[in-house]
Amino acid sequence: AQSVAQPEDQVNVAEGNPLTVKCTYSVSGNPYLFWYVQYPNRGLQFLLKYITGDNLVKGSYGFEAEFNKSQTSFHLKKPSALVSDSALYFCAVSPDISNFGNEKLTFGTGTRLTIIP
Amino acid sequence: DVKVTQSSRYLVKRTGEKVFLECVQDMDHENMFWYRQDPGLGLRLIYFSYDVKMKEKGDIPEGYSVSREKKERFSLILESASTNQTSMYLCASSLFTAGGVDTQYFGPGTRLTVL
Repeated sequence: AQSVAQPEDQVNVAEGNPLTVKCTYSVSGNPYLFWYVQYPNRGLQFLLKYITGDNLVKGSYGFEAEFNKSQTSFHLKKPSALVSDSALYFCAVSPDISNFGNEKLTFGTGTRLTIIP
Repeated sequence: DVKVTQSSRYLVKRTGEKVFLECVQDMDHENMFWYRQDPGLGLRLIYFSYDVKMKEKGDIPEGYSVSREKKERFSLILESASTNQTSMYLCASSLFTAGGVDTQYFGPGTRLTVL
């Protein structure tokens, strides 16, 4: 069975500083990895995904994530945080083998990111 | 842009009522999903569907059923609502991709309160 861990419920970062939101995963075979963001009273918005290829993935709003197979991690990063980045962030994983009944993502419990002006 | 809409943003129902949550997507996606979101628990998959009239149980299907009569519409049904079903319900859709999971696109959510 696949699983995702987001070890920090809350991350506070000063505006302008770099930010990291951590994610580790467990899955059979190679992973498909995703990051989503949720603003207050909204649905989830797709940020970026790793399928294969370059370990550094660039996504929306200046975010990027680094896939590290040996550490089974997929941390979300941004070089300079904005107040508008304050939101709830979810990491998700799926194995790369598709068959009926396996078309699904497993989500982490979320990390609330607060950017302090 | 993909658009996923849900019939209500907020819903208040009484214990024992039958509740219908509707979801519509406009991008001809094969896959549709229903999740519930609870603080500290993240998103948990209730049911998903990979084709019209097809459905698969997710991780927490108890107390729920679904219907997919048309490709663009996926309904979640609470046969007899209970207070522990008070939650945020999120619908999502994605293309079918052989070999893995494609990006899921989410609706705005329905916050259901069962009194």
